[in-house]
Amino acid sequence: AQKVTQAQTEISVVEKEDVTLDCVYETRDTTYYLFWYKQPPSGELVFLIRRNSFDEQNEISGRYSWNFQKSTSSFNFTITASQVVDSAVYFCALSGPNFGNEKLTFGTGTRLTIIP
Amino acid sequence: EAGVAQSPRYKIIEKRQSVAFWCNPISGHATLYWYQQILGQGPKLLIQFQNNGVVDDSQLPKDRFSAERLKGVDSTLKIQPAKLEDSAVYLCASSFAASGNEQFFGPGTRLTVL
Repeated sequence: AQKVTQAQTEISVVEKEDVTLDCVYETRDTTYYLFWYKQPPSGELVFLIRRNSFDEQNEISGRYSWNFQKSTSSFNFTITASQVVDSAVYFCALSGPNFGNEKLTFGTGTRLTIIP
Repeated sequence: EAGVAQSPRYKIIEKRQSVAFWCNPISGHATLYWYQQILGQGPKLLIQFQNNGVVDDSQLPKDRFSAERLKGVDSTLKIQPAKLEDSAVYLCASSFAASGNEQFFGPGTRLTVL
């Protein structure tokens, strides 16, 4: 069975601070995919990143960076120099090897509030 | 390219009433998903279609929930009769029916059961 744990329910930081959102996963698949989605107040889930289990290189996209550590089954997300527009609920998700044709298993989400 | 469309955006009903939600996926996307997102939780898959066939409905409460995708394009999710615990956001997503393609989500329908 697949499971995703996001232990941080809510985080508040002051604008321009860095913040890291934690994600721990469980799966029996040897090939799997990890995702991060952003859900702003409008409700639509916005795709941020996908990572496969064979690629442990960290990735950076602008102010966003992701740290994938297979040894600890973690896929953490860091926002550098946070902005008010980053306020949203962030979900970590997991799928098996056939991610285009199977469900995503989501964590419970972390609500991030950036204080101006 | 138009995104996944859902309607209505909001619905309020009394318990034991019926309700239906509609989803139109991105053009050409053969795989369609319905997720239920209860407040404070992550989305949970209810049912997955590939074209007009059901791939996974293991978590669909079949005594009250039903879904169809008759022509392999748009889909309807129905609840009959609704219970208080069905209050949630119902998200529709679609993807190309091939491994390696992302799921794109619609804006969701927020259901409140009183």
